[in-house]
Amino acid sequence: GQQVMQIPQYQHVQEGEDFTTYCNSSTTLSNIQWYKQRPGGHPVFLIQLVKSGEVKKQKRLTFQFGEAKKNSSLHITATQTTDVGTYFCAGRLYYSGGGADGLTFGKGTHLIIQP
Amino acid sequence: NAGVTQTPKFRILKIGQSMTLQCTQDMNHNYMYWYRQDPGMGLKLIYYSVGAGITDKGEVPNGYNVSRSTTEDFPLRLELAAPSQTSVYFCASSPGLAGAETQYFGPGTRLLVL
Repeated sequence: GQQVMQIPQYQHVQEGEDFTTYCNSSTTLSNIQWYKQRPGGHPVFLIQLVKSGEVKKQKRLTFQFGEAKKNSSLHITATQTTDVGTYFCAGRLYYSGGGADGLTFGKGTHLIIQP
Repeated sequence: NAGVTQTPKFRILKIGQSMTLQCTQDMNHNYMYWYRQDPGMGLKLIYYSVGAGITDKGEVPNGYNVSRSTTEDFPLRLELAAPSQTSVYFCASSPGLAGAETQYFGPGTRLLVL
């Protein structure tokens, strides 16, 4: 079936180091969204990418959407302790149960920061 | 606006018991969703609704039922709880199509089935 795969599952970094998580889909995505979930919290929307090759920045976060719209990445520069959490990518695809759309989430990358 | 609210926050069920997880949003969103998140894993879509009176299955609907009688409310029903349903359940809403617009998540309901 259609999947959205995310690597790595866990990433340990020293505070101040950079961090990257990668998202890959088995099929072309119309767009992709990124969410952050703090430990014990709920997912919070970060950004949406729509165009092939699109790059968006939010302060120390850089998001990319691949040219083929099958992959995406999130890069954090100079991590801080506030960046701790799980980062999920989510792509739009169709479910066999109906004609409407839904999001398929990757399993997430758990970012662990060591001071 | 309170956004998306869920009750209860935490519940312990015995095998075979039933319960309803409540979800309410005050943003007048047409689209609502139920996800489950197993420990250390991503979110899996259980059911979704594109408007009052319209619901459809997601990726993992077995063992659950939903209804959408109003725009605001989207309850999730577990009829015969099983240990495999131990999870954190998130309700979400969006003004339009998921993937086309931001999804707003509730705080979650942690369910333990023993």
